[in-house]
Amino acid sequence: EPEVTQTPSHQVTQMGQEVILRCVPISNHLYFYWYRQILGQKVEFLVSFYNNEISEKSEIFDDQFSVERPDGSNFTLKIRSTKLEDSAMYFCASSASTDTQYFGPGTRLTVL
Amino acid sequence: SQKIEQNSEALNIQEGKTATLTCNYTNYSPAYLQWYRQDPGRGPVFLLLIRENEKEKRKERLKVTFDTTLKQSLFHITASQPADSATYLCALDSSSGGSYIPTFGRGTSLIVHP
Repeated sequence: EPEVTQTPSHQVTQMGQEVILRCVPISNHLYFYWYRQILGQKVEFLVSFYNNEISEKSEIFDDQFSVERPDGSNFTLKIRSTKLEDSAMYFCASSASTDTQYFGPGTRLTVL
Repeated sequence: SQKIEQNSEALNIQEGKTATLTCNYTNYSPAYLQWYRQDPGRGPVFLLLIRENEKEKRKERLKVTFDTTLKQSLFHITASQPADSATYLCALDSSSGGSYIPTFGRGTSLIVHP
């Protein structure tokens, strides 16, 4: 069964550094998403991406964040200058339509 | 303000019993509601979607109801098994227009005892 994959599984970085989180969505899916989940908190929507552009973004998704689909398979989330409060699990998801989403296993980001 | 409420206390039940989890919401008019399962350290796994014009949806041992008047969804697992132990999340579509912005509840932990 096709799955969403994410790399790395765990990323440790120093405050102020840039990180890029990578995702490979399910191949025939058209809609892509990033979420984060701070430890013990709820899953929070960051951004959705369709047709090579951002379709929706939340208040969390400020100028420090960007997304890109650099080729036909990868979907990336970049955080330009990480802060301590960016420490969280980051989940990528994809969907064939605008309802059911399939989540990846997540990247645990630790900012020191 | 918009709220999604799921019982923050863990639900403990005996194997074989029916587990019932609740999702209440305020100040939303969702086109649909979804239930997900999340295991520790893992991403949410989609279980069921129910639309605003549907009262009930079933899939194997799972049943979801959706009452837009009460602004409530109930999620049932019949003949529960220890393997059903996980956190169950409800998510609402809080977008307008064609795009989808899902909002998740905090989830309810289910523990099924053998």
